[in-house]
Amino acid sequence: KNEVEQSPQNLTAQEGEFITINCSYSVGISALHWLQQHPGGGIVSLFMLSSGKKKHGRLIATINIQEKHSSLHITASHPRDSAVYICGPYSNTGNQFYFGTGTSLTVIP
Amino acid sequence: DTEVTQTPKHLVMGMTNKKSLKCEQHMGHRAMYWYKQKAKKPPELMFVYSYEKLSINESVPSRFSPECPNSSLLNLHLHALQPEDSALYLCASSQPLNRVRTEAFFGQGTRLTVV
Repeated sequence: KNEVEQSPQNLTAQEGEFITINCSYSVGISALHWLQQHPGGGIVSLFMLSSGKKKHGRLIATINIQEKHSSLHITASHPRDSAVYICGPYSNTGNQFYFGTGTSLTVIP
Repeated sequence: DTEVTQTPKHLVMGMTNKKSLKCEQHMGHRAMYWYKQKAKKPPELMFVYSYEKLSINESVPSRFSPECPNSSLLNLHLHALQPEDSALYLCASSQPLNRVRTEAFFGQGTRLTVV
């Protein structure tokens, strides 16, 4: 049983394109992370949000707690955005983070 | 200081060796986590410590032994590992588990190869 579903699994975009990655989850949560992982590397937290919308530079994350859905948007994508993006809801009942299977993004110059 | 520091970055060990992975944070976080990540897979939870006590053990084999000697330090002791244990081991920390808006910080991981 997958508590977290991400789509798409793989995504190739041209530089400059607007990108959306979706995350649906089934567990009750108090917060949700969007994480970035470059090949062979550790994980960097991009956002932690519990409601509404957050924006950092070209990245925007939204969450709808009632619908149990979150999205990560990248505007004006760049080759350096190429990475795996992982959705990570935090379950306040399970006392742990769950992770989606990740979306592998490749941005072509 | 918003860093989680993991050492070593890379480790190659034989199946009869004993080694330890170390994770350190100085953010005052009282929850610390070990995750295992295989290539092209999401991280899998191994252990959670809350206030230096083991609160979650996700049925991890006994050849992995966690230790939390103080609120800043988390170790993972390794003994008699198998080649299939080769993976990226990630440490994370966050505020206490019953706090809302729990934000996690992750280390860069230890790339472990068992030969």
